Amino acid sequence: NAGVTQTPKFRILKIGQSMTLQCTQDMNHNYMYWYRQDPGMGLKLIYYSVGAGITDKGEVPNGYNVSRSTTEDFPLRLELAAPSQTSVYFCASTQTGLRPEAFFGQGTRLTVV
Amino acid sequence: ELKVEQNPLFLSMQEGKNYTIYCNYSTTSDRLYWYRQDPGKSLESLFVLLSNGAVKQEGRLMASLDTKARLSTLHITAAVHDLSATYFCAVDASGATNKLIFGTGTLLAVQP
Repeated sequence: NAGVTQTPKFRILKIGQSMTLQCTQDMNHNYMYWYRQDPGMGLKLIYYSVGAGITDKGEVPNGYNVSRSTTEDFPLRLELAAPSQTSVYFCASTQTGLRPEAFFGQGTRLTVV
Repeated sequence: ELKVEQNPLFLSMQEGKNYTIYCNYSTTSDRLYWYRQDPGKSLESLFVLLSNGAVKQEGRLMASLDTKARLSTLHITAAVHDLSATYFCAVDASGATNKLIFGTGTLLAVQP
């Protein structure tokens, strides 16, 4: 039972480069989220999606884009990477009902140099 | 804008002692979650509190929710070293979309 899978686990980018962080879940959850966690801090919501084709901004969306073409996949795109985007990125999914808690992926540690 | 504050931010305690972590939030919500994070790892769900007065217990940890006071507590009983981790509370900002706003976390270090 894979749950939420993120790739890659680690990545180093140069300033101005772009990349896509991949996130896939196999629990048929409608809701998916991207968070970032800076050192010693809590998680900040970047973008979220309530279903295929529907996305919305969270607390810190600037510099990122998302898409949701299928229920399973929710990729996060970084355009023109900046040092301020150095962080650990977590993807999560959830479903309403008896177990509404979010299930998190293992994270992607991104460094922009 | 919903704000979530935890205190203390850092807690060093001896094995066998009891302590409480507090989570305050600024706007109305009746859904609150507690997560545990080990260093370099992802977040693990501990408790889901879905109504005023909800109390959940698992082993040495007990969580409660007072929606009127906008306060949740995570009580640790007779701490053991294995409980050392960072604990986050998170509040559902919307109810309809399960968007979570996280506190800054409490780093718990249990000393032998």
